Amino acid sequence: SAVISQKPSRDICQRGTSLTIQCQVDSQVTMMFWYRQQPGQSLTLIATANQGSEATYESGFVIDKFPISRPNLTFSTLTVSNMSPEDSSIYLCSVERASYNEQFFGPGTRLTVL
Amino acid sequence: GENVEQHPSTLSVQEGDSAVIKCTYSDSASNYFPWYKQELGKRPQLIIDIRSNVGEKKDQRIAVTLNKTAKHFSLHITETQPEDSAVYFCAASDGSARQLTFGSGTQLTVLP
Repeated sequence: SAVISQKPSRDICQRGTSLTIQCQVDSQVTMMFWYRQQPGQSLTLIATANQGSEATYESGFVIDKFPISRPNLTFSTLTVSNMSPEDSSIYLCSVERASYNEQFFGPGTRLTVL
Repeated sequence: GENVEQHPSTLSVQEGDSAVIKCTYSDSASNYFPWYKQELGKRPQLIIDIRSNVGEKKDQRIAVTLNKTAKHFSLHITETQPEDSAVYFCAASDGSARQLTFGSGTQLTVLP
């Protein structure tokens, strides 16, 4: 599996501010994904980030709120903009490695918005 | 889009017993079905997966079965141990989009 890191591991933010989460992979990957996991809940896909193209957002998620960058094959960022307490969640990146479809997750970023 | 339903939401078993978690999916185009284990405060870990051209796959104490006709798949854990206690998620992918849709999760508790 890939070695995936995320920064920050956790943060406490004030409402109305923005936070950028970084995801770094130890080798080149084509597909990267961003998920949200609210406390005690399942994982919900926010968007798919491919290098060299615009991110593809799932229903209920918009670029203005969750802008994503994918500048190269080992790195991506997710920004949570104009945060409200409802954005408090764990944000995870994942990458597709090895066999087609297999996804491996980063350690997650635990965000609390006050 | 795809919809994945998972049950039960909680499952308690005695150590050494077997545990079975079941999922159904809605999209007949789905062809990849992974299972993830998530311990408290940790990231989801891929533990086993199955593709639509196979009916069953086994890895030591863990097995997954797939019934494409009925659109359901199951995770079987035999000889359960306390360290198997975690939340288990099933997921489905239609392959072309390579996106995973997750079930709601099952909290498995193995009682010593």
